[in-house]
Amino acid sequence: AQKVTQAQTEISVVEKEDVTLDCVYETRDTTYYLFWYKQPPSGELVFLIRRNSFDEQNEISGRYSWNFQKSTSSFNFTITASQVVDSAVYFCALSEGYGNNRLAFGKGNQVVVIP
Amino acid sequence: DTEVTQTPKHLVMGMTNKKSLKCEQHMGHRAMYWYKQKAKKPPELMFVYSYEKLSINESVPSRFSPECPNSSLLNLHLHALQPEDSALYLCASSPKGQGAYNSPLHFGNGTRLTVT
Repeated sequence: AQKVTQAQTEISVVEKEDVTLDCVYETRDTTYYLFWYKQPPSGELVFLIRRNSFDEQNEISGRYSWNFQKSTSSFNFTITASQVVDSAVYFCALSEGYGNNRLAFGKGNQVVVIP
Repeated sequence: DTEVTQTPKHLVMGMTNKKSLKCEQHMGHRAMYWYKQKAKKPPELMFVYSYEKLSINESVPSRFSPECPNSSLLNLHLHALQPEDSALYLCASSPKGQGAYNSPLHFGNGTRLTVT
């Protein structure tokens, strides 16, 4: 069974619009970590944010914000005022258990920002 | 620039060739990983080294042979590959030990491998 679901495949937005990426996860562990990674065309995955299961505080970091809701098992990610450099594939990932660095990735969201 | 360096960036090899992918990091991380990523797919874990010892092998075929000569280096030796092994191979590292649990992975730019 897929543990991380990113239902949207490709999302196109016009520059300066906001874009929200949905992520739904599945786990039986009470301790787990959620991540968002960005993969630009150059190939490397860039870490964006991490949240653990005990911290549902939502934050804003620059143009990035996230909404973690355990009640719906969702960890959504928003880019505000999108820029062309935001064009990339965005992966949501889950790490279950304490001390486990094995990541379960979602299928990814291709974000295309149109100038 | 990424702090995890992978060489070469591109590699084309025949099915009878032997080649190696290299990965290097100087962040003092003691966990290193190999991932395989096919086009338009998420990365798939292949191997994990923890303190220079192989801790996870995700049932990878023996034509892929990992090696961790020291805490900064990770190699992936390739032999008798198939065309379906063509993919982006990503190396990653993360800290280990108390206080570093579930830390984010630091990825390299990857090696784009084509098997002909």
